[in-house]
Amino acid sequence: DAEITQSPRHKITETGRQVTLACHQTWNHNNMFWYRQDLGHGLRLIHYSYGVQDTNKGEVSDGYSVSRSNTEDLPLTLESAASSQTSVYFCASSESSRSARTEAFFGQGTRLTVV
Amino acid sequence: QQPVQSPQAVILREGEDAVINCSSSKALYSVHWYRQKHGEAPVFLMILLTGGEQKGHDKISASFNEKKQQSSLYLTASQLSYSGTYFCGTELRGGADGLTFGKGTHLIIQP
Repeated sequence: DAEITQSPRHKITETGRQVTLACHQTWNHNNMFWYRQDLGHGLRLIHYSYGVQDTNKGEVSDGYSVSRSNTEDLPLTLESAASSQTSVYFCASSESSRSARTEAFFGQGTRLTVV
Repeated sequence: QQPVQSPQAVILREGEDAVINCSSSKALYSVHWYRQKHGEAPVFLMILLTGGEQKGHDKISASFNEKKQQSSLYLTASQLSYSGTYFCGTELRGGADGLTFGKGTHLIIQP
């Protein structure tokens, strides 16, 4: 079955380290999104991509970067991890080309703790 | 810009109805609704598209007022399994900012 997977599921890192969270989907979806979830803030969009070589900043993109070199993967990199980036991170994908007019499928999340 | 959801939390008895609202200050292209159980990923419920098209769930309905840029999710005869946090997600007309979610509405169904 097609799916979307995130790895690792849990990560503890030190302040200042570079961290990469992986997101892999097998639906061949054009769109991929990264969100962080914090109590009281809901799901906040970090970065998104509408296709290979396309990346866009979301509302909370500072300190994060992504790259889309193929359809299946959208890794999220924290350039220099800060305690404020402790959160649960969700990746999602959807089919539509350059819009969000179809269902988004979410990965199981990565819990990141920065100490 | 995050859409605004209301109420923030609802407590119901099993069998009662609930309405959750979602509004945007900008023109929308689509409105999504998702439910998240504690410790799990959000799960799709429904999409409403400009032009009136609606896709979704048998026992849950929704409406979208294009003039007001507001959507409402209707849960009728609520079941214990409806408990969770409900999120609306919006895409602005022009598709320039991805899929942006509100802060969520916590729904607790009591027996």
